[in-house]
Amino acid sequence: AQSVTQLGSHVSVSEGALVLLRCNYSSSVPPYLFWYVQYPNQGLQLLLKYTSAATLVKGINGFEAEFKKSETSFHLTKPSAHMSDAAEYFCSGGTSYGKLTFGQGTILTVHP
Amino acid sequence: DTGVSQNPRHKITKRGQNVTFRCDPISEHNRLYWYRQTLGQGPEFLTYFQNEAQLEKSRLLSDRFSAERPKGSFSTLEIQRTEQGDSAMYLCASSLGRGQYTGELFFGEGSRLTVL
Repeated sequence: AQSVTQLGSHVSVSEGALVLLRCNYSSSVPPYLFWYVQYPNQGLQLLLKYTSAATLVKGINGFEAEFKKSETSFHLTKPSAHMSDAAEYFCSGGTSYGKLTFGQGTILTVHP
Repeated sequence: DTGVSQNPRHKITKRGQNVTFRCDPISEHNRLYWYRQTLGQGPEFLTYFQNEAQLEKSRLLSDRFSAERPKGSFSTLEIQRTEQGDSAMYLCASSLGRGQYTGELFFGEGSRLTVL
């Protein structure tokens, strides 16, 4: 069965610093990999998705993620954090019909 | 495109009562999904529909849970004889279907259930 692991339930950075949120998936590569963001009391918003077209995926709000098959990783990065990036981030793997398996989530805190 | 709509947004009920949540997907989407999210966890898949057909159900969906999607439009998720462990956010999502699926699910804002 597909599994997704996010390393670190909380990440804290200073405004302007690099953001790195880690995600590893089980050895069977799913057709799709995603990063979603969730703000308090809201639904999930898609940040970016990997569909095998390119290993470096660019998303919204300056985020990007790199698919590394050898490391079974799909880490999310942003060069410079903004206060508005504070939220919970979820990595997920998806089947060809939309069933998603989510990681446990990482809460990002941005300090001024 | 008005997005995925869920209601009610919040529901507080007493243990043993029945509750029903409704989801209206994006109009041209023929796939609809239900997920459950408990505090501090990622969402977990419950079930999904292709048009009106329920094609997969998770083992999390006990016999107290039933989901329907009559006529392939809106969907309802009913929980009978609620238990405190049912307290969670219930998320609905929709997507394009077979042959058109782009890998993207569009999520509603969720229905939060609190069972006292």
